[in-house]
Amino acid sequence: GAGVSQSPSNKVTEKGKDVELRCDPISGHTALYWYRQSLGQGLEFLIYFQGNSAPDKSGLPSDRFSAERTGGSVSTLTIQRTQQEDSAVYLCASSYRTGRLNEKLFFGSGTQLSVL
Amino acid sequence: DQQVKQNSPSLSVQEGRISILNCDYTNSMFDYFLWYKKYPAEGPTFLISISSIKDKNEDGRFTVFLNKSAKHLSLHIVPSQPGDSAVYFCAASAPGANSKLTFGKGITLSVRP
Repeated sequence: GAGVSQSPSNKVTEKGKDVELRCDPISGHTALYWYRQSLGQGLEFLIYFQGNSAPDKSGLPSDRFSAERTGGSVSTLTIQRTQQEDSAVYLCASSYRTGRLNEKLFFGSGTQLSVL
Repeated sequence: DQQVKQNSPSLSVQEGRISILNCDYTNSMFDYFLWYKKYPAEGPTFLISISSIKDKNEDGRFTVFLNKSAKHLSLHIVPSQPGDSAVYFCAASAPGANSKLTFGKGITLSVRP
């Protein structure tokens, strides 16, 4: 597909379980971002990848959150021992990162995570 | 600490009229600003941007105004159409090789037919 693809689109899990969220960026995009949107809140930055490395992980809320990116393409966001406050829409975005003032992020449709 | 603030959570406008969506920021290092539009169950899509060297950028029905001294920007939609009904996010970034976008909470715009 031409756009950013995220899976699953919806995930319901029990408190304490681990979850993995997947993001397929647009082919050729070197930069990849994870954001989340909790109810009534804005988009909260989680982590940024340039290629396979993560220069900025400052937004990860706790050590239960981790992310990796392989082959400069697919990224996985893992949340261990989920808590109810982790419930949110997790959005992935990618961009060419050719120049900051021309950069536009292309977002996927998100994964709606519900922790019961 | 919210560095990008969209203080009005919602706005309702009659079709054909002007919609004005406001955004304030606190970080004086921000020098690039964007507006994104989001429909339910979809990801945000880029709408329009402006760099701090300008005070206005126009694209069709959409115009963004930047007032650096007031740390304020606004998005004008003229004329508003029912299809413009969506959540609008203001975003900003600062210089740096690994800069990221900081988003506001969004404004829900409803355009009444």
